[in-house]
Amino acid sequence: GESVGLHLPTLSVQEGDNSIINCAYSNSASDYFIWYKQESGKGPQFIIDIRSNMDKRQGQRVTVLLNKTVKHLSLQIAATQPGDSAVYFCAERRGDKIIFGKGTRLHILP
Amino acid sequence: DGGITQSPKYLFRKEGQNVTLSCEQNLNHDAMYWYRQDPGQGLRLIYYSQIVNDFQKGDIAEGYSVSREKKESFPLTVTSAQKNPTAFYLCASSRSQETEAFFGQGTRLTVV
Repeated sequence: GESVGLHLPTLSVQEGDNSIINCAYSNSASDYFIWYKQESGKGPQFIIDIRSNMDKRQGQRVTVLLNKTVKHLSLQIAATQPGDSAVYFCAERRGDKIIFGKGTRLHILP
Repeated sequence: DGGITQSPKYLFRKEGQNVTLSCEQNLNHDAMYWYRQDPGQGLRLIYYSQIVNDFQKGDIAEGYSVSREKKESFPLTVTSAQKNPTAFYLCASSRSQETEAFFGQGTRLTVV
């Protein structure tokens, strides 16, 4: 499988600090990327997306950066709050499919 | 209100039985998807459909079947041929091939 992993990497961040979650993709033909947030026992929730003709896009408290040269995507969350605690997935469109990355668990420290 | 509805939320079945998971959307989306998620892991694509009466295998289609007789419905059958059916199943839909997918709340299937 393309997104199978044994353990989710965890990022621990102090409440109020900025969080940066990274994702590498493998297919240089992918032209659309999406970040999702998944809380325990729930379906993934759309956060922000970016197309390959852009290198940065901002939303409310979130920014996505795309570096096509090194096939790298990052999600920046400003002023991290307890409600941001979740697993974050990057996903890429490959034709008709949407393929998910392994995910990163964001843990907020009080 | 609009959205994607998966039912039931929890499902228990005995080994060897087929089971069908429901997914309904009222978003008028053309594309629908089924994913499987195992504990602590990412989402793996089972099947997807871009249009009514047409669907394609994803990365882990063995032991599963789908149908797309109506635009709003994309049921998934987990057959007895699926070796490890216990998992969290997620259905999603998207307006087109160029947009994000929206997810339902998932069905947790336990086979005993």
